[in-house]
Amino acid sequence: ETGVTQTPRHLVMGMTNKKSLKCEQHLGHNAMYWYKQSAKKPLELMFVYNFKEQTENNSVPSRFSPECPNSSHLFLHLHTLQPEDSALYLCASSQAPSGGAREDTQYFGPGTRLTVL
Amino acid sequence: AQSVTQPDIHITVSEGASLELRCNYSYGATPYLFWYVQSPGQGLQLLLKYFSGDTLVQGIKGFEAEFKRSQSSFNLRKPSVHWSDAAEYFCAVFKAAGNKLTFGGGTRVLVKP
Repeated sequence: ETGVTQTPRHLVMGMTNKKSLKCEQHLGHNAMYWYKQSAKKPLELMFVYNFKEQTENNSVPSRFSPECPNSSHLFLHLHTLQPEDSALYLCASSQAPSGGAREDTQYFGPGTRLTVL
Repeated sequence: AQSVTQPDIHITVSEGASLELRCNYSYGATPYLFWYVQSPGQGLQLLLKYFSGDTLVQGIKGFEAEFKRSQSSFNLRKPSVHWSDAAEYFCAVFKAAGNKLTFGGGTRVLVKP
């Protein structure tokens, strides 16, 4: 496997279900991200992890719970979601800047298409 | 706060014709700018990026973009469009604090035979 992979690619769940999205990066990066892409809305950053530490939570509801056990894996745990949470969830990774450098390029996975019934 | 505007929601172009997608940004410091492409049902693929240096940047798939500081623009161009270029294109600006990428709303490109 190369690049950034996400599983599952498609997920249908009821509002009372609990499910998890998985992301894995094979690029040796140290930062990982979750984005939400809804119809007719710009891409929204949800969470940022640098060196396994969460550094950004962009006012995301608590029914979304991220987990980053190591710098290669990122999960998004879902529980009691609402129909408006239906969207494409994209994971990305990058080599976060260090030592005064500012450049950073994010590489994206194919996404998980989530439908909440 | 930084922001990105892509004024055109949809663009239709004939195969073989040239394409230009507009992107305007608002950012207080030197911007780091990106263009990504998203095919239906897929994630985002990096087309090109500008960090510094030459303001005309070459990317993959025959795309190029020009950074114009005076106009706060980073427009994407391709001289001759192929049917496979039909996709949605996103411009983004990077903010080092917080590793934040801010995206524009996207431009959907339709290619006519």
